[in-house]
Amino acid sequence: SAVISQKPSRDICQRGTSLTIQCQVDSQVTMMFWYRQQPGQSLTLIATANQGSEATYESGFVIDKFPISRPNLTFSTLTVSNMSPEDSSIYLCSVLKISSYGYTFGSGTRLTVV
Amino acid sequence: QQQVKQSPQSLIVQKGGISIINCAYENTAFDYFPWYQQFPGKGPALLIAIRPDVSEKKEGRFTISFNKSAKQFSLHIMDSQPGDSATYFCAGAGGTSYGKLTFGQGTILTVHP
Repeated sequence: SAVISQKPSRDICQRGTSLTIQCQVDSQVTMMFWYRQQPGQSLTLIATANQGSEATYESGFVIDKFPISRPNLTFSTLTVSNMSPEDSSIYLCSVLKISSYGYTFGSGTRLTVV
Repeated sequence: QQQVKQSPQSLIVQKGGISIINCAYENTAFDYFPWYQQFPGKGPALLIAIRPDVSEKKEGRFTISFNKSAKQFSLHIMDSQPGDSATYFCAGAGGTSYGKLTFGQGTILTVHP
């Protein structure tokens, strides 16, 4: 399975600022996703990161708030923009290799907005 | 949004007992049903997964039972150990949701020594 490096692992940010989270995979993957996990809750898909084109966002999530880039098959970034305390969550990168139909998750970024 | 409903929310089991977590799905196009285990401060890790062409899959102490007609599947943890204490998530993927996992609400499992 793929090995994911997600950075930063945690951060405390001031409201109104932005944070960019990086996801680096050790091998080429077919699909990359970004999830949000609010405290004590399940995982909710934010968007699918598409290589070289705009990400596909799920209902309730918009590009202006969560811009995503995926310049190649092994790297993606998620930016949380104009943060408020409600954005305090764990943000997780996930990848899928079609060949093995195996999903792998990064260890997550624990974001606290104060 | 097609849901996956998971129960119970929390479960307490004695060491050596059997832990059972249940899930029900709505999307009949789903063709992949994984279970994930998550420890505090970590990302979810794949535990075991099943496709709807089989009714049961076993890997060590972990077994998935799948009932396609009822649109239900369950995770059985045999001989539960304190180290199994974690949050467990079921999920489904496939069809028009290809590649995207839809997660259940999660079950917090506590195994007492």
